[in-house]
Amino acid sequence: AQSVTQLGSHVSVSEGALVLLRCNYSSSVPPYLFWYVQYPNQGLQLLLKYTSAATLVKGINGFEAEFKKSETSFHLTKPSAHMRDAAEYFCAVSDGGYSTLTFGKGTMLLVSP
Amino acid sequence: NAGVTQTPKFQVLKTGQSMTLQCAQDMNHEYMSWYRQDPGMGLRLIHYSVGAGITDQGEVPNGYNVSRSTTEDFPLRLLSAAPSQTSVYFCASSATGGAAEAFFGQGTRLTVV
Repeated sequence: AQSVTQLGSHVSVSEGALVLLRCNYSSSVPPYLFWYVQYPNQGLQLLLKYTSAATLVKGINGFEAEFKKSETSFHLTKPSAHMRDAAEYFCAVSDGGYSTLTFGKGTMLLVSP
Repeated sequence: NAGVTQTPKFQVLKTGQSMTLQCAQDMNHEYMSWYRQDPGMGLRLIHYSVGAGITDQGEVPNGYNVSRSTTEDFPLRLLSAAPSQTSVYFCASSATGGAAEAFFGQGTRLTVV
């Protein structure tokens, strides 16, 4: 069985500060890992994904994530937050079977001026 | 590009009523899924399909029914609505299993009174 834990239901940063959203996973097989973003009243949009090619993955809007097998982590970072980054972020894992995703509970990113 | 289209966007039902949430995709994707999103719970898988005529249950299937007669459409039926089914419902599609990106619709906000 696979599972995802996102530490912190809410993270607050100032504009220009480092963004760090934490994700730990559990999977019985080498996983595929994803970060999705959800803006208010919208569906989910893919930020980036890990598929075993490179451990450091770059995504859209300046976000990146590093896969660390020893720590079973896939934390999302961005060097400098913008107001437009305020949204809810979801980490998800797939075991490669039928492409269904198991999601974490989400982290709401709040960005203050 | 339409992508994944869900209808309706909003719906209010009375307890015991039935209804169908529609989902259509124009990307010729084999895989389609239904998730529900509740505050603090992330997204949870209801049902999924790996092709026309093939469906299976996810994490929270009780009270919901699906069928897949065409590649494009994957409707979700609520048989007898209950207040516990008040939620935001998302349909998603992807080309293949494993590492493929899932594309999400805009969601249907359902309230059962």
